[in-house]
Amino acid sequence: EAGVAQSPRYKIIEKRQSVAFWCNPISGHATLYWYQQILGQGPKLLIQFQNNGVVDDSQLPKDRFSAERLKGVDSTLKIQPAKLEDSAVYLCASSAGQWTLPTNEKLFFGSGTQLSVL
Amino acid sequence: DAKTTQPPSMDCAEGRAANLPCNHSTISGNEYVYWYRQIHSQGPQYIIHGLKNNETNEMASLIITEDRKSSTLILPHATLRDTAVYYCIVRVTGSARQLTFGSGTQLTVLP
Repeated sequence: EAGVAQSPRYKIIEKRQSVAFWCNPISGHATLYWYQQILGQGPKLLIQFQNNGVVDDSQLPKDRFSAERLKGVDSTLKIQPAKLEDSAVYLCASSAGQWTLPTNEKLFFGSGTQLSVL
Repeated sequence: DAKTTQPPSMDCAEGRAANLPCNHSTISGNEYVYWYRQIHSQGPQYIIHGLKNNETNEMASLIITEDRKSSTLILPHATLRDTAVYYCIVRVTGSARQLTFGSGTQLTVLP
């Protein structure tokens, strides 16, 4: 079974530039998550999609971050303009469960995109 | 979701059992205990989860105390490849709430 695919693996940009990350979840997974992981910390959720709708984006800095999941499959996370504090690993995860069902969900994570903002 | 407390780091000798504790004294009756681990430069990986009964799978065993206020993840025969950050998380299943990761425990398996 193919896992969660993310690209690029690494990205270096200067502050105020824009950047985009791509994620292809496991086939058939309805729920997709974007997490931000700053060095030395646990991952923090940025946004959660159920199919192509947003379930939770309460921790997404909407003045500079945006995300979309067209057709309920792959997703793109964008930062514009980037700040120094955006340097982090951006992780995409997917799960099969529908959140309205009492299922015990497992999240499957990609390897992430390491972003360095200079 | 209830918060968890884990030691920041632990060492374990290769081949020995690794016992990783987690305190979740404010856990609610409908909250499950999940364990994930993150090997360096990889995304987190699901290990196991449970509600109140002990659970075992091919990766590990999960022991939850009777009052559910704490749990222990057991890796029966730790190998060097088990060196990772281990996260204990409690959450309500079947809800839209995301997994909330703390800082975890850095387990180092020593040769």
